[in-house]
Amino acid sequence: DAKTTQPNSMESNEEEPVHLPCNHSTISGTDYIHWYRQLPSQGPEYVIHGLTSNVNNRMASLAIAEDRKSSTLILHRATLRDAAVYYCILRRSGGSNYKLTFGKGTLLTVNP
Amino acid sequence: DTEVTQTPKHLVMGMTNKKSLKCEQHMGHRAMYWYKQKAKKPPELMFVYSYEKLSINESVPSRFSPECPNSSLLNLHLHALQPEDSALYLCASSQNPPETQYFGPGTRLLVL
Repeated sequence: DAKTTQPNSMESNEEEPVHLPCNHSTISGTDYIHWYRQLPSQGPEYVIHGLTSNVNNRMASLAIAEDRKSSTLILHRATLRDAAVYYCILRRSGGSNYKLTFGKGTLLTVNP
Repeated sequence: DTEVTQTPKHLVMGMTNKKSLKCEQHMGHRAMYWYKQKAKKPPELMFVYSYEKLSINESVPSRFSPECPNSSLLNLHLHALQPEDSALYLCASSQNPPETQYFGPGTRLLVL
């Protein structure tokens, strides 16, 4: 499986935008970029995913580099509830590919 | 209903006990997963069921025995566990073929 690299931790202030980077230099053409987050004492929660184009949903935006070797998860206005571990995961497309391999993730702290 | 429920929330067991963890979803998902998460580590895949059949076993010791009695239920039977098996056990489900995984809140297990 292709590997991702994320900073161990990041800090943000409430109501400011947050840009969480992820490097995946060995990504293959069929790998989707998924982001999950895990709030304290909860199970992981899906955030967003994409293949080549930038993606937006109600939770976040995903910006994917043109060469796909990196991506950035953007939280437009951080709230205290966004404090969590954010995982960037590559998942190969294909009907029988069930594996979601979590890396170490980025611990996001949001200051009031 | 986009919820995966897990019972119990907490479990303490001795090394000679037999116990079971239960997971339930009513989203019509036909793939279900067990993950193990040690403190301050990412979740690690243990088992995957697809259409009620065991599809993936990530070389998990036989003291963990999964069961999928129907498309909505997933059990994890525990027997003769070791203290190092203490962890958060997460259940997840997804459509089949898989895309987004939905996680439950987990069962926090302590083996004495």
